[in-house]
Amino acid sequence: AQSVTQLGSHVSVSEGALVLLRCNYSSSVPPYLFWYVQYPNQGLQLLLKYTSAATLVKGINGFEAEFKKSETSFHLTKPSAHMSDAAEYFCAVSDMGGKLIFGQGTELSVKP
Amino acid sequence: GAVVSQHPSRVICKSGTSVKIECRSLDFQATTMFWYRQFPKQSLMLMATSNEGSKATYEQGVEKDKFLINHASLTLSTLTVTSAHPEDSSFYICSARGDGFSYNSPLHFGNGTRLTVT
Repeated sequence: AQSVTQLGSHVSVSEGALVLLRCNYSSSVPPYLFWYVQYPNQGLQLLLKYTSAATLVKGINGFEAEFKKSETSFHLTKPSAHMSDAAEYFCAVSDMGGKLIFGQGTELSVKP
Repeated sequence: GAVVSQHPSRVICKSGTSVKIECRSLDFQATTMFWYRQFPKQSLMLMATSNEGSKATYEQGVEKDKFLINHASLTLSTLTVTSAHPEDSSFYICSARGDGFSYNSPLHFGNGTRLTVT
């Protein structure tokens, strides 16, 4: 069965600093992986997705993620944090039935 | 494109009453919709998968008689919380695929419904 684990329920960075949100997956088949962002009291917005075309995936708002099979990881990064990046971030894997399995989420805080 | 509209955004109801939440795909046809529940500061828990024209498939531990799901058309799915109790208070989010069934295509989410049962 597929699953994802997000390391760190809360990450705090200074504005302009590097953002690194960690996600490790478990899958018996080549995984399809996603990162979503959730702002307070809102639904989820897709940041990016990995579908085996390229290991480095670029998403919206300057985010990108690198798929590393050897490490079973799909960490999300952004070179320079902005105040508007403060939100909850979810890593997810799609199972063979088409359902999305979410990680526990990481709350990103950005300090001025 | 791929907009999912969820209504209402907030609802307060009294214990014992029923509440209906609507989820609409505005600019695409959604053969499959998913309903999630989210507790404060927690992840999304899949409640059920809704397929147009057929019965919903519920996840283990979700009471199908309490959470009634109807997917009557390719653009509308509804979740009805029957005989609501305070423990049903939560954030409910629907989602749908925008380009047909494919397990590598992303889900598009509604903005969620905050249900408070008093």
